[in-house]
Amino acid sequence: AQTVTQSQPEMSVQEAETVTLSCTYDTSENNYYLFWYKQPPSRQMILVIRQEAYKQQNATENRFSVNFQKAAKSFSLKISDSQLGDTAMYFCAFMKQGNTPLVFGKGTRLSVIA
Amino acid sequence: NAGVMQNPRHLVRRRGQEARLRCSPMKGHSHVYWYRQLPEEGLKFMVYLQKENIIDESGMPKERFSAEFPKEGPSILRIQQVVRGDSAAYFCASSPDSWGDTQYFGPGTRLTVL
Repeated sequence: AQTVTQSQPEMSVQEAETVTLSCTYDTSENNYYLFWYKQPPSRQMILVIRQEAYKQQNATENRFSVNFQKAAKSFSLKISDSQLGDTAMYFCAFMKQGNTPLVFGKGTRLSVIA
Repeated sequence: NAGVMQNPRHLVRRRGQEARLRCSPMKGHSHVYWYRQLPEEGLKFMVYLQKENIIDESGMPKERFSAEFPKEGPSILRIQQVVRGDSAAYFCASSPDSWGDTQYFGPGTRLTVL
């Protein structure tokens, strides 16, 4: 069974600074997908970024980028130029190839401080 | 294109009553997933459905819980004889038919059992 571990329950960052959230996972699969979802106080789950395991290039979406290390089974999220609106819970998630359920980590609560 | 719709957003039930949670997937999406989020926890998979079929219900308790996704109408998660431990946020996600595509989440239903 797949597991996802987020070792940082809480983090804080000054506005405009950069922060990195950690995620490791365990799987015997070779092809899979990794995601970061954001859950603000509204509790809506919002997709931040997605990475296909077969792609060596790290995914980027504006201020959000990942450092995907397949051999180490590590998938960290870097947020540049942090904004107050980035304050949220961030969940790392794993999905096997195909249409399969997501496996989530416990989340990291990020606070952006003015 | 409207997002995933869930209703009600908030539901209060007394112990022993039934709870019905509805999910309308995004247009063109035929895959529906239900997840449960307990306080301060990540999301846990419950059940995966395609039109008229349950594909994977490995995360759903065998007793009191059922799910359906009829040919016409929304997907429904039904909890009979609710207990206090059922209090949680229930999220629905949908994805299109393409292989390994991203799941998009609804706003969730917060169930409170008194």
